[in-house]
Amino acid sequence: QQQVKQSPQSLIVQKGGISIINCAYENTAFDYFPWYQQFPGKGPALLIAIRPDVSEKKEGRFTISFNKSAKQFSLHIMDSQPGDSATYFCAALRRNYGQNFVFGPGTRLSVLP
Amino acid sequence: KAGVTQTPRYLIKTRGQQVTLSCSPISGHRSVSWYQQTPGQGLQFLFEYFSETQRNKGNFPGRFSGRQFSNSRSEMNVSTLELGDSALYLCASGTGGWTEAFFGQGTRLTVV
Repeated sequence: QQQVKQSPQSLIVQKGGISIINCAYENTAFDYFPWYQQFPGKGPALLIAIRPDVSEKKEGRFTISFNKSAKQFSLHIMDSQPGDSATYFCAALRRNYGQNFVFGPGTRLSVLP
Repeated sequence: KAGVTQTPRYLIKTRGQQVTLSCSPISGHRSVSWYQQTPGQGLQFLFEYFSETQRNKGNFPGRFSGRQFSNSRSEMNVSTLELGDSALYLCASGTGGWTEAFFGQGTRLTVV
C-alpha cells in the first residue's frame, strides 16, 4: 500500500512536443504529491507539487493533473526542450508524518533537438 | 544561502567494513532525511531526524543507523557493509513540515 507506480520507464519526445508521465498510488492517506527532477550527478529538485483538494496545478510549462477517485496523477511538460532531459520522479507523502516521501521508480525523459 | 552539503561525494569500501556519511542541512532547517538510490530499487526512504530525534524509519536492516546533532547536522552509518549497499545516498533537509525537501548531491558508495 506504500507503493507509488510510475510510467513510462523512459520517454523520448521531440523538441516542442508534450511529455506526459503518469503515477498511481494505493494509500489514500497520502495527501501531498510532488514531482522531482533529477539531472545526472545531482540530487532531485522539486519541480511542482499538488494537494488532493486540487485537480490541476500549472507552473509555467509544467502541469500536474490529479484524479483523486482514480488515485492517479500525472505530469505534463508542454513545449518540451532539450534542457528538460532528465529523470522525473513522482512522490507521495502524508503531510503530518514527517518528510518520508514514497517515490515512484522514475521516468527517464529525452527531448530530441 | 548554502544548499545541502554531503560529504564525502565518493567512497569505496570493502565488504564487512563500516562507513559514516555526513550531511549538513540548509541553515535553519531542523529536519534531515536520508534516502538510498539504486537503479533497481529507485529512491527508498531510510530515516528522518527532527531536532535530534528519529521521527520516521524506513524498512532497512539495523545495520543502517543515523543520528542528528544539536546543530542539525546528521550522520548516517552503515555497519558490516554488503555488496548490495552500493548506492547513491541522498540527504534532504526541510523545515520539519510537509513542504519542500531540498536534496544534496549525494554520496556515491561503492562496496567491493
